Amino acid sequence: AQRVTQPEKLLSVFKGAPVELKCNYSYSGSPELFWYVQYSRQRLQLLLRHISRESIKGFTADLNKGETSFHLKKPFAQEEDSAMYYCALKSAGAGSYQLTFGKGTKLSVIP
Amino acid sequence: GAVVSQHPSRVICKSGTSVKIECRSLDFQATTMFWYRQFPKQSLMLMATSNEGSKATYEQGVEKDKFLINHASLTLSTLTVTSAHPEDSSFYICSARDSAGNMAEAFFGQGTRLTVV
Repeated sequence: AQRVTQPEKLLSVFKGAPVELKCNYSYSGSPELFWYVQYSRQRLQLLLRHISRESIKGFTADLNKGETSFHLKKPFAQEEDSAMYYCALKSAGAGSYQLTFGKGTKLSVIP
Repeated sequence: GAVVSQHPSRVICKSGTSVKIECRSLDFQATTMFWYRQFPKQSLMLMATSNEGSKATYEQGVEKDKFLINHASLTLSTLTVTSAHPEDSSFYICSARDSAGNMAEAFFGQGTRLTVV
């Protein structure tokens, strides 16, 4: 069975400092991984996905199959980055879009 | 981007009554919708996959008769919590995938906070 682990419940950093939100996964197949973000009083929204290899709002995440990790990084944190971040893994299967979520990490950027 | 609307956002009901939660895709068609449950300080747990025009697929441990799912149209799925009890109090979230759009993205509703008293 698949599993997503986010070891940090809360991460506090100062504005301008680098940020790394950790995510490790366990999955027998070829993983497809995502980061979702939930700002205060807003709904979950997709931040980025590993297959796109994109940078969104300054965030990047690289899939490391050897370490089974998909850590989210940003070189310089901004106050508006404060939010709840969820790492998610997509189950395989044609037409399937079931997501397994980690418990989430609350990022707090201190001014 | 695509919008998924959940209604109601909050509901309080008495123990033993039933509660219906709606999930609508406002500007796209969704053949598949998903229902999640989130307990305080815990992860989102997938409850069931709702397929338009067919029976929902429930995850292990989720009671089908307790959590009735209906996906009668391409833009609406409903979750009915039957004979609710205090332990059903939770945050319920739906998501929908745009049938015609990018396969990799799902859009989430704002969630429904259910409190059973």
